[in-house]
Amino acid sequence: DVKVTQSSRYLVKRTGEKVFLECVQDMDHENMFWYRQDPGLGLRLIYFSYDVKMKEKGDIPEGYSVSREKKERFSLILESASTNQTSMYLCASSQTDSNYGYTFGSGTRLTVV
Amino acid sequence: AQRVTQPEKLLSVFKGAPVELKCNYSYSGSPELFWYVQYSRQRLQLLLRHISRESIKGFTADLNKGETSFHLKKPFAQEEDSAMYYCALRTGFQKLVFGTGTRLLVSP
Repeated sequence: DVKVTQSSRYLVKRTGEKVFLECVQDMDHENMFWYRQDPGLGLRLIYFSYDVKMKEKGDIPEGYSVSREKKERFSLILESASTNQTSMYLCASSQTDSNYGYTFGSGTRLTVV
Repeated sequence: AQRVTQPEKLLSVFKGAPVELKCNYSYSGSPELFWYVQYSRQRLQLLLRHISRESIKGFTADLNKGETSFHLKKPFAQEEDSAMYYCALRTGFQKLVFGTGTRLLVSP
């Protein structure tokens, strides 16, 4: 019963490439989030969205953009990938009026070479 | 500033020993705190919410506003508890701030 799906588990891209990470949720959640997970740094918020076509910068938005054209889909875009963007990327969603926190995807491990 | 501190990167205990994973927070508002767990090769999942005051898999966590802490405890650790644990603070409108995580290793 997968509820938050990230399209790729592993990706290898070259420096300078434009990279798209896709996330889809089937729980009709209003809110969606992109985090990166790095050892010793925990999870850091890149961008989030609380409605279709709405987006807000998180703590580390530089070098990233997002797109939310449909409620169920939230895409993270690396405009020009760099080696310091090698990381595990986690997508999550949540319901606005819920105290249950987030539901996470399984993550995309991106390596930029 | 909104911050979550998990001072231990690694906590190693023997099976049957008590476990306490520390979490301290900094937040000017009324805090909502969570513990998330990530088992090997699995996705991050919610373990506990302070608001529910529940016990999950033998784990409990009590919010101490005076000490700004939300430590995770279990009286008798099991090998299957070995995982990465993250403490998280909701800072408003569903945003969560996470700590850096503590890896719990339970040895037989």
